[in-house]
Amino acid sequence: RKEVEQDPGPFNVPEGATVAFNCTYSNSASQSFFWYRQDCRKEPKLLMSVYSSGNEDGRFTAQLNRASQYISLLIRDSKLSDSATYLCVVNPGFQKLVFGTGTRLLVSP
Amino acid sequence: DVKVTQSSRYLVKRTGEKVFLECVQDMDHENMFWYRQDPGLGLRLIYFSYDVKMKEKGDIPEGYSVSREKKERFSLILESASTNQTSMYLCASMSQNTEAFFGQGTRLTVV
Repeated sequence: RKEVEQDPGPFNVPEGATVAFNCTYSNSASQSFFWYRQDCRKEPKLLMSVYSSGNEDGRFTAQLNRASQYISLLIRDSKLSDSATYLCVVNPGFQKLVFGTGTRLLVSP
Repeated sequence: DVKVTQSSRYLVKRTGEKVFLECVQDMDHENMFWYRQDPGLGLRLIYFSYDVKMKEKGDIPEGYSVSREKKERFSLILESASTNQTSMYLCASMSQNTEAFFGQGTRLTVV
């Protein structure tokens, strides 16, 4: 089993739609969690950290479920500019990060 | 703003050459990483370092080595480049349990 698993997509949605991505992780001792965004041929950039209590940043909401070992990202009112690959990232401890393979989102007019 | 700088955006090297990829960060982070990214495989960890002169193997260290002589600089070395090392290489740095910051990536082609 992979340490971090994501549905690769692509998710094709129209502008204005709500879309959700899930990610599962295998190490129950994992300490911190993140969502990164990666545009084509660019480096990954932090979208948001994920906290146990859940957190929201504008149209983006991230949730963590430790019991079921998954994290989620919800995007409301999708924009064309949201088209990108979204990477689920887990810190299992040991001072390193483990990346999922990414979920590709395509938002169309 | 945190800045992680990789020495080259694009490199073309011949099979068998020794290749150096350099990475410098300006935020005094303890931890630095080298990943490679390939289509369908995501980011895979090659090596990481949590302190000067310290290094740890990641998931795919074969064919690579690293050097960390100064806290701000982490170098990836391909001892004898091969065509299967053609990839995007990404350097990252982070402090304890915080997010990682990435360099802009080096797209290496080995011919």
